[in-house]
Amino acid sequence: SQQGEEDPQALSIQEGENATMNCSYKTSINNLQWYRQNSGRGLVHLILIRSNEREKHSGRLRVTLDTSKKSSSLLITASRAADTASYFCATVDRGSTLGRLYFGRGTQLTVWP
Amino acid sequence: EPEVTQTPSHQVTQMGQEVILRCVPISNHLYFYWYRQILGQKVEFLVSFYNNEISEKSEIFDDQFSVERPDGSNFTLKIRSTKLEDSAMYFCASSEALRSGELFFGEGSRLTVL
Repeated sequence: SQQGEEDPQALSIQEGENATMNCSYKTSINNLQWYRQNSGRGLVHLILIRSNEREKHSGRLRVTLDTSKKSSSLLITASRAADTASYFCATVDRGSTLGRLYFGRGTQLTVWP
Repeated sequence: EPEVTQTPSHQVTQMGQEVILRCVPISNHLYFYWYRQILGQKVEFLVSFYNNEISEKSEIFDDQFSVERPDGSNFTLKIRSTKLEDSAMYFCASSEALRSGELFFGEGSRLTVL
């Protein structure tokens, strides 16, 4: 499978705690992206990290990429109940159409108030 | 904030019927996509569309599927003769440029085939 695989499948934490989700993939990538999906809703782009980048920040989000291990992590700091959603990593293969994303199964994050 | 809009939000159809799902991408975007998500499974790429033609399609996108940009705003996905296994959430997405990499997704159209 070319797709990213997230770990854990489900994560349950208290408000204020940090949430870390991991993603592993198998191919050579151009970039890796994280998306969020609220239940029954569309996918919302969170952050993109290119293959030559190692870390990126956006607000309370921190993404790392280790191309030698073919893995990425998404850290949400100081989580809020509103962060409850499914989080997906998606990869774009090197040499592939840049809009063709390969999604993982996602991590279901529940943040309790 | 500009957004991708999709209609209908939910469609129920009988097996063998034709279905058209509609999308209005963000107005200055040039690249358009359809993805689908079968319940409990991964989001899967179906097709990408640029400059009025398909630029890439997956193995899922067989002869039963077609896409069209009939005017300057709409982007449609047609399933000619629906099968039970076509039941899924179908997402339209658009992007301004390939270089940016970021896709903007609609809320999805849930298709139920009976």
